[in-house]
Parts: sequence; structure tokens; C-alpha cells
Amino acid sequence: NAGVTQTPKFRILKIGQSMTLQCAQDMNHNYMYWYRQDPGMGLKLIYYSVGAGITDKGEVPNGYNVSRSTTEDFPLRLELAAPSQTSVYFCASSYSRGAGGGTDTQYFGPGTRLTVL
Amino acid sequence: AQKVTQAQTEISVVEKEDVTLDCVYETRDTTYYLFWYKQPPSGELVFLIRRNSFDEQNEISGRYSWNFQKSTSSFNFTITASQVVDSAVYFCALGSSNTGKLIFGQGTTLQVKP
Repeated sequence: NAGVTQTPKFRILKIGQSMTLQCAQDMNHNYMYWYRQDPGMGLKLIYYSVGAGITDKGEVPNGYNVSRSTTEDFPLRLELAAPSQTSVYFCASSYSRGAGGGTDTQYFGPGTRLTVL
Repeated sequence: AQKVTQAQTEISVVEKEDVTLDCVYETRDTTYYLFWYKQPPSGELVFLIRRNSFDEQNEISGRYSWNFQKSTSSFNFTITASQVVDSAVYFCALGSSNTGKLIFGQGTTLQVKP
């Protein structure tokens, strides 16, 4: 049971480039999330998904896109990377019985450290 | 509005000292959940505890204990006899059953010196 896995671990992008951050979980969790963590700050929610085919915006969605075609995978797409997107990105998952992701324990992946130059 | 405040940005203690990390939250929900996560220098986020708003009993797990007080909207975390391996950033988080979202505090960096 690998839990939540993320690839890559590190990436440097040039301004204007695009990339996809991969996230997968093998715990059969229905909810999945993407957060970003800026230096000295807590985590801010970018997007989340309550199940395959359903996604919604979080607190800071601008500049990102997501899709959820399977229960296991939840990739995050960065289009036209900007220096403001330099951050550590965490994917998380939880099993929620319908009351929402704020009520159940979220389990996090190891993070992807992204630098945009 | 929902908010979590961890007023202590950094704390430094000597090994074997006890240390308390403060967490104050704001919410209008009657049902909510509180969490603590640990982020060691390696960077991953490790779940420590989840508590719902109806359960005000204090919890102890080994050297860790949590004091939940609804009257003061606080959910403080105490490490007894701290060890160097406790050095990490600790996050308090508030979960809402209404919004379905988890709101994180800014974190407290704990440094335990030998």
C-alpha cells in the first residue's frame, strides 16, 4: 500500500512553459485535493475532487487545471508557468462519507518542489 | 469566516523540556473538526490527530497530548520531554462540514536542541 504518490519530486520550469504534476492514490479514497505551500505559510487549496469526473475550485485555482478520469489519479496541470507558481505542491486524499473533505482525515503525498525561473 | 491562528512562528527548546504549541480557530459552524499535522525537515505531512467539535476530552498519545477547549476556541498541542526528532513544523487545521474544506494555520516551527 503506497498511499499517495507524487511525481516528479523536483522540477524547474521556465516562464511560459507548461507541465503536469502527477498524483495517484491506492487507498480507494473518493476525495482528492491539490494544495500549494509557499515558504513560511500554511497550505492553500488549489482544486479538489469528490469523485471521478467531478472537480471544483479551491482557494487559489488561477493558473491551474485538473481532471479526474479515475478514482486513483488526479493530475494538476500548470499552463504558462509564472514565478508566482514557485511553491511546493501537495496532493492529498481522503475517504468521505458525504459530509465533505473537511471532516475526514486527509493523507498527503511527499510533495513536488517546483521552481519557475 | 473560518480561520486558524498559530501565533507562535518559531519555538526553540532544549531536549527533555515540555513544549506547548498554541492553536486558536474561528468558525460559525456548530459541527467542525480539528487536526494537527507534523512536517519534518524531509517535507512530508504526517497526520497526528483528528478531533470533532463534540468531543472536548483531552487526548494523550505517548509524549503527545492535546487540549481542546471550545470556550476559548483553542486546540493546543503539548509535547512532553521533547526529543530532537520532534523538530518539525506543526500545522493546526480546521475542517468544515459545511464547506467541505480544510483550513490550515501558518504553522509553528519547533526546534529541539540536544
